[in-house]
Amino acid sequence: ILNVEQSPQSLHVQEGDSTNFTCSFPSSNFYALHWYRWETAKSPEALFVMTLNGDEKKKGRISATLNTKEGYSYLYIKGSQPEDSATYLCAFYIQGAQKLVFGQGTRLTINP
Amino acid sequence: ETGVTQTPRHLVMGMTNKKSLKCEQHLGHNAMYWYKQSAKKPLELMFVYSLEERVENNSVPSRFSPECPNSSHLFLHLHTLQPEDSALYLCASSLGTDNSPLHFGNGTRLTVT
Repeated sequence: ILNVEQSPQSLHVQEGDSTNFTCSFPSSNFYALHWYRWETAKSPEALFVMTLNGDEKKKGRISATLNTKEGYSYLYIKGSQPEDSATYLCAFYIQGAQKLVFGQGTRLTINP
Repeated sequence: ETGVTQTPRHLVMGMTNKKSLKCEQHLGHNAMYWYKQSAKKPLELMFVYSLEERVENNSVPSRFSPECPNSSHLFLHLHTLQPEDSALYLCASSLGTDNSPLHFGNGTRLTVT
């Protein structure tokens, strides 16, 4: 069974602070890792699709890094704002099966 | 939002009922998916359709029956469900290439009584 682990499960951060959380995945047969943001009462929204070891992607104040050899990805948020409150999901792509295996998510709450 | 639309948003059904969930995408995508989100569990893939053909059936019980009449529409037919099937059912679509991200609908919150 393929496991994708995210930590921590939940996180409370003061507005203006920076934060980061982790996604761990199998280091063998890596093809792609996805990050999604899921705000309450909305649909999950794609943030990044990462494929290359050492890759770093950025979208505004959010960035992500990827280490395929050790099987982890970090998501960073700089200068957190209340609108960053959401559940952040990572998902491991299984090539050929068009299948994404999701982690349980990190629920981020930004305190004003 | 006109990307991926799911109806209904909420559904309550008895165990003997038959109902259908509908998903429609206006993004020109070739692949469509059904995911299930149960309480305190990760998103779980149920079915994948690529160019209207089913490519993945993730050991889903036969009381869930998908239908993809064309690349823009996806249905999930439900019959004789159990209370433990109560969950959020999310539809998604993608270009269908290996690196393409998913675009999700808002989901249908299903309660089986």
